[in-house]
Amino acid sequence: RKEVEQDPGPFNVPEGATVAFNCTYSNSASQSFFWYRQDCRKEPKLLMSVYSSGNEDGRFTAQLNRASQYISLLIRDSKLSDSATYLCVVNIQASKIIFGSGTRLSIRP
Amino acid sequence: DTGVSQDPRHKITKRGQNVTFRCDPISEHNRLYWYRQTLGQGPEFLTYFQNEAQLEKSRLLSDRFSAERPKGSFSTLEIQRTEQGDSAMYLCASSSSGPSTDTQYFGPGTRLTVL
Repeated sequence: RKEVEQDPGPFNVPEGATVAFNCTYSNSASQSFFWYRQDCRKEPKLLMSVYSSGNEDGRFTAQLNRASQYISLLIRDSKLSDSATYLCVVNIQASKIIFGSGTRLSIRP
Repeated sequence: DTGVSQDPRHKITKRGQNVTFRCDPISEHNRLYWYRQTLGQGPEFLTYFQNEAQLEKSRLLSDRFSAERPKGSFSTLEIQRTEQGDSAMYLCASSSSGPSTDTQYFGPGTRLTVL
């Protein structure tokens, strides 16, 4: 079993739709969690950190469920520019950072 | 631009040659990471430095790979006797151990093609 698992997609949704991704992790000692966005042939860029209380940044909402060991990302009112690969990242410690394989999202007009 | 920089951005080499990549982290960041990414996969951790000390190496990092960060600033990743399986994007990231720990900032990567 992979330490961090994501549905690879692709998710193909119309503009304006709401889309949600989940990510599961296996190490209960994981300390911090992030969502990164990666455009084709570009480097990953931080989208948002994920806190236990849940957090929102504009159209994006991230949730963490430590009991079930999963993280979610919700994108509301999706835009064409949201098309990208979304990477789930789990930090177990400074020297042990695990990336998921990514979920591909494609927004169609 | 004060972000993470990497050089070169692209490298094409023949199998068996040695290559060296450089990473310049964000200046105040004391943590530096190297990753490898292949198509359709997330970045895979290779190695981690805190200041000049290499504190962690993945088992992915065979003896053909070596990384240094001699003065705790820039870092180099060398691959000796390259193989076709080494073809990938090599990403460098940096972070600080201050209040906003763990948030990594990535460089644009070096894309290696081994012929």
